[in-house]
Amino acid sequence: GAVVSQHPSRVICKSGTSVKIECRSLDFQATTMFWYRQFPKQSLMLMATSNEGSKATYEQGVEKDKFLINHASLTLSTLTVTSAHPEDSSFYICSARDSSGGYNEQFFGPGTRLTVL
Amino acid sequence: GENVEQHPSTLSVQEGDSAVIKCTYSDSASNYFPWYKQELGKGPQLIIDIRSNVGEKKDQRIAVTLNKTAKHFSLHITETQPEDSAVYFCAARTYNNNDMRFGAGTRLTVKP
Repeated sequence: GAVVSQHPSRVICKSGTSVKIECRSLDFQATTMFWYRQFPKQSLMLMATSNEGSKATYEQGVEKDKFLINHASLTLSTLTVTSAHPEDSSFYICSARDSSGGYNEQFFGPGTRLTVL
Repeated sequence: GENVEQHPSTLSVQEGDSAVIKCTYSDSASNYFPWYKQELGKGPQLIIDIRSNVGEKKDQRIAVTLNKTAKHFSLHITETQPEDSAVYFCAARTYNNNDMRFGAGTRLTVKP
């Protein structure tokens, strides 16, 4: 399957700081990327959908000013958690859709573990 | 919108036995059903998927069946191995739709 990378894999930061997470599709172009949040022993919760070159679409209850998403190219999307607080600590996973060939499979990155002290 | 339910939440089998995980969905328009395997501390990995124009798909020890009339689909793992131990998620969406819904996950443990 296609490869999606995420960086960093783990980050610890102080409360009030901002953290940027990068998501890259390595061997395919992704017009659509997704950001999920996952709490321990729970399913994936979709936060937002980003389309290259346009504004992200946020799910209900997700603050767009707190979770800034940029999808500047067909292979890169970034999620910035602004003014992070301990309750933002979670596992953040990006996903990219491979629309080439019409199969529309969705592949996930390895995730980023965010811990806010 | 789509609602996906997954059962069981936990499943423990002996090495070599088969494991079956079942999901139901609510939106009859859904026509794409992927399965993901997530190991501890990692992102989900697509292991198999099925589209609504087929009833069954197999890839070595893994198979997925789909019953569109009943709106349910299942993952079958045969000859289980300890490395199959992970959390498995089913999902459903319309082929070109961005809105993919996930089941709650099944924690599979394969005992050696």
